Amino acid sequence: NAGVIQTPRHKVTGKGQEATLWCEPISGHSAVFWYRQTIVQGLEFLTYFRNQAPIDDSGMPKERFSAQMPNQSHSTLKIQSTQPQDSAVYLCASSTRQGALGNTLYFGEGSRLIVV
Amino acid sequence: GDQVEQSPSALSLHEGTGSALRCNFTTTMRAVQWFRKNSRGSLINLFYLASGTKENGRLKSAFDSKERYSTLHIRDAQLEDSGTYFCAARRGGNYKPTFGKGTSLVVHP
Repeated sequence: NAGVIQTPRHKVTGKGQEATLWCEPISGHSAVFWYRQTIVQGLEFLTYFRNQAPIDDSGMPKERFSAQMPNQSHSTLKIQSTQPQDSAVYLCASSTRQGALGNTLYFGEGSRLIVV
Repeated sequence: GDQVEQSPSALSLHEGTGSALRCNFTTTMRAVQWFRKNSRGSLINLFYLASGTKENGRLKSAFDSKERYSTLHIRDAQLEDSGTYFCAARRGGNYKPTFGKGTSLVVHP
């Protein structure tokens, strides 16, 4: 079990450029979550999918941010026209409802985005 | 929305001592999970509880859904225990987990 895989681990992008972050959930997990972590704001929920369908995107900035889950093996978070305030560690987590430890969240190592 | 109140926000311990972190919930939660943030900023699982208590080494966690709280006890604290700890609670169904704001623990020699 390779765990949740996030790529890239680090990304530096210029202001105004687009950034796409990828997440591969643990095989068999039905839910994928995206969070953003900064020193100032702490851990912020962005969005989540269950069985590839968007369930709750209440944390997503309405402009510039979008997330997709085109198949059960990966999800993407896209940020258009990046701004310095988008700099953060973006965390992806997955979970399953199965078994005694169902709904346990497993986090990836994160993608550190720096907008210069 | 659901609230998870985590306390204390910061904690300083001497090596060998212990303390407890607590999360209070404003509504009935079905499960709670405790994490520790690693040096990269990712979150490492410590415990997942749907009820009762669990213990792992010097850490012990309890969850009381009816009384709406969970605790994480650390005993015999070591320098390497320093870091930020988070709880996250879930109502079940399609509700997303709600995180506490974290406890920053520093263990001193």
